[in-house]
Amino acid sequence: GAGVSQSPRYKVAKRGQDVALRCDPISGHVSLFWYQQALGQGPEFLTYFQNEAQLDKSGLPSDRFFAERPEGSVSTLKIQRTQQEDSAVYLCASSGLPGYGNEQFFGPGTRLTVL
Amino acid sequence: TQLLEQSPQFLSIQEGENLTVYCNSSSVFSSLQWYRQEPGEGPVLLVTVVTGGEVKKLKRLTFQFGDARKDSSLHITAAQPGDTGLYLCAGVDNAGNMLTFGGGTRLMVKP
Repeated sequence: GAGVSQSPRYKVAKRGQDVALRCDPISGHVSLFWYQQALGQGPEFLTYFQNEAQLDKSGLPSDRFFAERPEGSVSTLKIQRTQQEDSAVYLCASSGLPGYGNEQFFGPGTRLTVL
Repeated sequence: TQLLEQSPQFLSIQEGENLTVYCNSSSVFSSLQWYRQEPGEGPVLLVTVVTGGEVKKLKRLTFQFGDARKDSSLHITAAQPGDTGLYLCAGVDNAGNMLTFGGGTRLMVKP
């Protein structure tokens, strides 16, 4: 398993619950990205890490969204007090080089449904 | 955020037909990538184009970057059912910031 893995693959939450989504990037990849993909749409950028540093969080839609990568490998995207509009597939991608323009390897995503 | 518009949004064709998918923006990109995404999976990179006017071929797929680096096209020759999927273009701006994705073209090739 050399690819990017994400867990859980599916998550159902009641409105107001907190959720945590995990991403295991390809070993040694310095860059890690989170995207949100609504049904029938292209992915939208949420945040970017270079190693453990969160260099860009301009895409996070509200302060209910929080991401961390404390040791520069595994990352967690946390959503507090989930709302129905948070329902989407959350994709994680990693890259072996810093910056946005290099090949990104995507995980299968976590499909979040908020009831 | 720089917008990338893809057309058509949906395309359903018969096996053996040719098709072209377009990706347009009013902004200049330093590079543009094309991805293909299948249901339940993440996007997979097909190609990156960097130079204005650049043409790249990948078997039956031909990718072109516009001279002004604002638009791109993907042409598929003799489409096969295995080409079915969501095709996404994504651009990086001149400052090297943020990969912006288009809305995607959903292609279905019927046998």
